[in-house]
Amino acid sequence: NAGVTQTPKFRVLKTGQSMTLLCAQDMNHEYMYWYRQDPGMGLRLIHYSVGEGTTAKGEVPDGYNVSRLKKQNFLLGLESAAPSQTSVYFCASRGGTGTNTEAFFGQGTRLTVV
Amino acid sequence: GNSVTQMEGPVTLSEEAFLTINCTYTATGYPSLFWYVQYPGEGLQLLLKATKADDKGSNKGFEATYRKETTSFHLEKGSVQVSDSAVYFCALTPRGATNKLIFGTGTLLAVQP
Repeated sequence: NAGVTQTPKFRVLKTGQSMTLLCAQDMNHEYMYWYRQDPGMGLRLIHYSVGEGTTAKGEVPDGYNVSRLKKQNFLLGLESAAPSQTSVYFCASRGGTGTNTEAFFGQGTRLTVV
Repeated sequence: GNSVTQMEGPVTLSEEAFLTINCTYTATGYPSLFWYVQYPGEGLQLLLKATKADDKGSNKGFEATYRKETTSFHLEKGSVQVSDSAVYFCALTPRGATNKLIFGTGTLLAVQP
């Protein structure tokens, strides 16, 4: 029972490089989220998706793009990485229609931009 | 708007001490409330939840009661263990908005033997 899997777990990028973070869930969940975690700021929502083929902006979307071509996958892209994007990135998924449903998180991707 | 405010950490306790981590929220209507825990090097996992006023969520000896009158959802445990050392996040989902899961800034708990 894999749950939510993020790849890669660690990455170092140079300023201006691009990369894609992959999130995969095997629970048939409709909702998927990308958060970033920074010291003293908790988790901030970057983008989210309410179903296959849909995406929406969260609290801090600038500099990121996302795609949800398949229900089980949610990709986060950085087109031109900046040092301010150094962070730990978490993907989460959530099923059901009620607002009390549990969100399941991946183990995180630690990204450093130099 | 919707938001969650948590007490700042770190909170340092000795084993078997009583724990309280304060959480207050701002939301329209009756949100669902959650506590998530993040152990070192891991992702977040649900600790407990409550969905309406006066509900008490509980798990692993932790408890939190949904207080509508004070818009609070404080986390408590009667006797902490070293293994409880982690970061604790309070979160909410507004009524009718499953697409939203809003977190507080997290509180680091360190339990010393």
